[in-house]
Amino acid sequence: DIQMTQSPSSLSASVGDRVTMTCRASQSISSYLNWYQQKPGKAPKLLIFGIYTLHSGVPSRFSGSGSGTEFTLTISSLQPEDFATYYCQQSYSTPRTFGQGTKVEIK
Amino acid sequence: QVQLQQWGAGLLKPSETLSLTCVVYGGPLSGYYWSWIRQPPGKGLEWIGEINHSGSTSYNPSLKSRVTVSVETSKNQFSLKLSSVTAADTAVYYCARGLSGWNKDWGQGTLVTVSS
Repeated sequence: DIQMTQSPSSLSASVGDRVTMTCRASQSISSYLNWYQQKPGKAPKLLIFGIYTLHSGVPSRFSGSGSGTEFTLTISSLQPEDFATYYCQQSYSTPRTFGQGTKVEIK
Repeated sequence: QVQLQQWGAGLLKPSETLSLTCVVYGGPLSGYYWSWIRQPPGKGLEWIGEINHSGSTSYNPSLKSRVTVSVETSKNQFSLKLSSVTAADTAVYYCARGLSGWNKDWGQGTLVTVSS
């Protein structure tokens, strides 16, 4: 199985801050890296697939980057509705593993 | 707008079989991958398995011996069965629709508790 490791596990930030989180794969996964946002008690929502491509309706303040084994999700200006947990997922092979999540909290 | 509505028993005893169904409204089954993902209380996401429109399946090796995912095209729905459940299978179970491994539409989630 491909292991996905996210860092940090949690972070505190203020509205308007630029926020960056990292996801590392245990082997190269090419461009098969996806990001999800999950709020408490809700199903995850797809934000980005294929490293860079924003899912329909996702605000442009979200962006993805990276290659090979190291990937980044950036929120350019944090909004109140962005406080949530973010998960990366590899879809290079099955089982399609997720990272353990990065929780973005209000400072 | 595609909607996934899932249902199934929420309380099971150890050794019983978990059975969940996900009905797809507003879109066909064809052309997509249909997945099941679970989340133990307070923990992260675990991929269980998927089936594509042609019926090909792929399962998490950690669960493979106990899992069956199937499609019922005539009812536009797909299902999950997980046998011989234990307390470790207590989780919120999600169905999802995807392409190439990413999941773009999700069901509302079903909390399944395993307790004697």
